[in-house]
Amino acid sequence: QQQVKQSPQSLIVQKGGISIINCAYENTAFDYFPWYQQFPGKGPALLIAIRPDVSEKKEGRFTISFNKSAKQFSLHIMDSQPGDSATYFCAATSQNGNAGGTSYGKLTFGQGTILTVHP
Amino acid sequence: KAGVTQTPRYLIKTRGQQVTLSCSPISGHRSVSWYQQTPGQGLQFLFEYFSETQRNKGNFPGRFSGRQFSNSRSEMNVSTLELGDSALYLCASSSAGWGQETQYFGPGTRLLVL
Repeated sequence: QQQVKQSPQSLIVQKGGISIINCAYENTAFDYFPWYQQFPGKGPALLIAIRPDVSEKKEGRFTISFNKSAKQFSLHIMDSQPGDSATYFCAATSQNGNAGGTSYGKLTFGQGTILTVHP
Repeated sequence: KAGVTQTPRYLIKTRGQQVTLSCSPISGHRSVSWYQQTPGQGLQFLFEYFSETQRNKGNFPGRFSGRQFSNSRSEMNVSTLELGDSALYLCASSSAGWGQETQYFGPGTRLLVL
């Protein structure tokens, strides 16, 4: 129930094209869904994130689409650039808190998608 | 603000040894989480510490342990190393509270067990 399934494993896109990565989750307690971008030799960096009370969020060329009933969410990269070539991870987490404070420290990650954008 | 820092960046150990990795979170962050990244298993959650208390634990054997100090710095320890422990170990920190969900990752410590 804790899994997040991500597809495709790898994706090749031409410069200027649209990259689409899909994720599905099972745990309905998840309430925060971030996407991370990771370059070789670096730690993952937050790209964009969404909460289940909205169906879409856009930041620049990056858009998350969220379907709560289907328990699926996807990342769309518009006008893909060679500099976008990296590994992308979807993730999900839920709030964990007490009187001392709230945190979202347990991320469940998808398996990752290696994106290659050809010039 | 300085980002999350991890030391050492690279480490080579032999089977049976133990290792301690260190993480300094972003100033003001109270939550520190640890993850193991391998090509086969991807990114897997190890544990989270919040205000010096372990708040969450992943499905790893007891050889993996951690702690957090009063200044929020954290260490993780792996005892009796196995070949399969070779991985990139990532630390992430975040603030606590609503709207502060973002976890900021460090560059990781690459551990090779021979």
